[in-house]
Amino acid sequence: DTAVSQTPKYLVTQMGNDKSIKCEQNLGHDTMYWYKQDSKKFLKIMFSYNNKELIINETVPNRFSPKSPDKAHLNLHINSLELGDSAVYFCASSQLSSYGYTFGSGTRLTVV
Amino acid sequence: GENVEQHPSTLSVQEGDSAVIKCTYSDSASNYFPWYKQELGKRPQLIIDIRSNVGEKKDQRIAVTLNKTAKHFSLHITETQPEDSAVYFCAARVTGNQFYFGTGTSLTVIP
Repeated sequence: DTAVSQTPKYLVTQMGNDKSIKCEQNLGHDTMYWYKQDSKKFLKIMFSYNNKELIINETVPNRFSPKSPDKAHLNLHINSLELGDSAVYFCASSQLSSYGYTFGSGTRLTVV
Repeated sequence: GENVEQHPSTLSVQEGDSAVIKCTYSDSASNYFPWYKQELGKRPQLIIDIRSNVGEKKDQRIAVTLNKTAKHFSLHITETQPEDSAVYFCAARVTGNQFYFGTGTSLTVIP
């Protein structure tokens, strides 16, 4: 199936831990994103990579570090997790020259 | 940067009635306006979009209108059905492919 896939779907972890979320797309898109959706459902962009190059880096704590090993993958590593990091994290991809996003199914991160 | 405002935040309608969600944007350079539907526990999915050179677009029961002068665009859903219940997000694209999302509207269609 052509899709944007994220793993894991659910992640429960203790404060202070380090965790990673993986994202892969097989749509042939050249741009990938990470969005955070908080409890109020607000979607806020965190990062964007175009052809493995960082093009958007919003004001995000430096505990969050994206890594794009190739055009089809964009992973998110989070150090020293805090309670406020609890949210749903969505990966998305698009072709920069066109318009639409395709979202992954989301990763619900709960920090306890 | 772009600022997208969306209203109302919650909307309840009777099945069969129409629903209208409105968004305003601040950057006149915005040129593409998608709408996403997010069902409970699922990913946002594109349902309709409009580009800045078009005033209206329709796809079956949903339509989007754009007023560039006033910098607002709206989603119209006619003959609403219970399966239309979801959170709807508007967005505006300025440059590159970065979207600024509205804060979402939770639509409930009452059978």
